[in-house]
Amino acid sequence: DTGVSQDPRHKITKRGQNVTFRCDPISEHNRLYWYRQTLGQGPEFLTYFQNEAQLEKSRLLSDRFSAERPKGSFSTLEIQRTEQGDSAMYLCASSFGPIGDSSGYTFGSGTRLTVV
Amino acid sequence: GEDVEQSLFLSVREGDSSVINCTYTDSSSTYLYWYKQEPGAGLQLLTYIFSNMDMKQDQRLTVLLNKKDKHLSLRIADTQTGDSAIYFCAEVTGTASKLTFGTGTRLQVTL
Repeated sequence: DTGVSQDPRHKITKRGQNVTFRCDPISEHNRLYWYRQTLGQGPEFLTYFQNEAQLEKSRLLSDRFSAERPKGSFSTLEIQRTEQGDSAMYLCASSFGPIGDSSGYTFGSGTRLTVV
Repeated sequence: GEDVEQSLFLSVREGDSSVINCTYTDSSSTYLYWYKQEPGAGLQLLTYIFSNMDMKQDQRLTVLLNKKDKHLSLRIADTQTGDSAIYFCAEVTGTASKLTFGTGTRLQVTL
């Protein structure tokens, strides 16, 4: 499989619970990005890793959100004490080197989070 | 702020051409992209254009870039029902080379 994999595809959780999502990028891609997409909107940047280093975080990423990429391979995004406003599609993307590569990013299919 | 603007909705008849427009914000963007998203799915890269180009053609897709006006368009020739989806333009911004997306244009293809 040469694509970006995200797990789970869907997650329903009660408000206040913690959730964790996983992203497996394309193996030779050193850059990994997390985006959030709410209904009717385009994806919004959350955070970015180059190898294992988290180099940029959006203001959207509150202190309840944490992302890791140990060993520069897969990444996890954890949301603590979920709120209804966290309901969204969480998209992961990977790329090789600086953007501008003609392949752009490769996106996963996303994890749809519903907080009830 | 960084706002990439797109019209929300476009309806065309099967076989006609579709033109989806986008206005972006960062004049230093090196690449501009068009992505397609079908219901419940992730984003599929359709095509891209480098900022030193003003046109790029790829089979049924034609991208036009007007750097002076920061205007990007995607033309789909001979539109098919399978082209029904949401189309996002995106520009590369910042040191992280992150993508900034528009709000998306929903393309509806009617018979």
